[in-house]
Amino acid sequence: GAVVSQHPSWVICKSGTSVKIECRSLDFQATTMFWYRQFPKQSLMLMATSNEGSKATYEQGVEKDKFLINHASLTLSTLTVTSAHPEDSSFYICSASSPFTRLDTSYEQYFGPGTRLTVT
Amino acid sequence: AQKVTQAQTEISVVEKEDVTLDCVYETRDTTYYLFWYKQPPSGELVFLIRRNSFDEQNEISGRYSWNFQKSTSSFNFTITASQVVDSAVYFCALSEASFGNEKLTFGTGTRLTIIP
Repeated sequence: GAVVSQHPSWVICKSGTSVKIECRSLDFQATTMFWYRQFPKQSLMLMATSNEGSKATYEQGVEKDKFLINHASLTLSTLTVTSAHPEDSSFYICSASSPFTRLDTSYEQYFGPGTRLTVT
Repeated sequence: AQKVTQAQTEISVVEKEDVTLDCVYETRDTTYYLFWYKQPPSGELVFLIRRNSFDEQNEISGRYSWNFQKSTSSFNFTITASQVVDSAVYFCALSEASFGNEKLTFGTGTRLTIIP
């Protein structure tokens, strides 16, 4: 149980275009979803936290107008990279958590497989 | 602010050797969770363990074992009889333990290479 999917798994886009990445919890309702970014050979850095039905909370230094996050339902969150530039090329990973999972797994985040974005 | 330090950037060992990955953390919270994740070349994070701050018992799972010492703020991970499939980047992470604040702070990771 507790499976999270991401779509697409990889995407190549041209500079200036927008790209949408979907994160879905397949077998549980995710009240909170997190978006992380990972540059090559570096750690995961949290970009934002989104709770279903409310605005996302962005980490310091993350441009909210550039990285639009929508958590419209308990099973879907989307990250849209607007006007993408080559420096936005990275590995984007989402995770989902819920207080309604089994007690022994509460507060645990379930990670998606990641989306590799390349902006040319 | 929370912080996780993995001082070992890269480690290489010969297959069947034991290896320990170090993790030191900082937090002002009295209740928190510690995690270890494995990231193979495919990129997908593989959950290995979660430890509550009140549970200082060491844990063993097959060839994996974890040593949690609150007194030194360390949560080290040992692989015994290493195998080539253990080659990956390993991340230690820390989170608060209150609903809505489960965001993870990751260490910089340790790249482990097992030489056949």
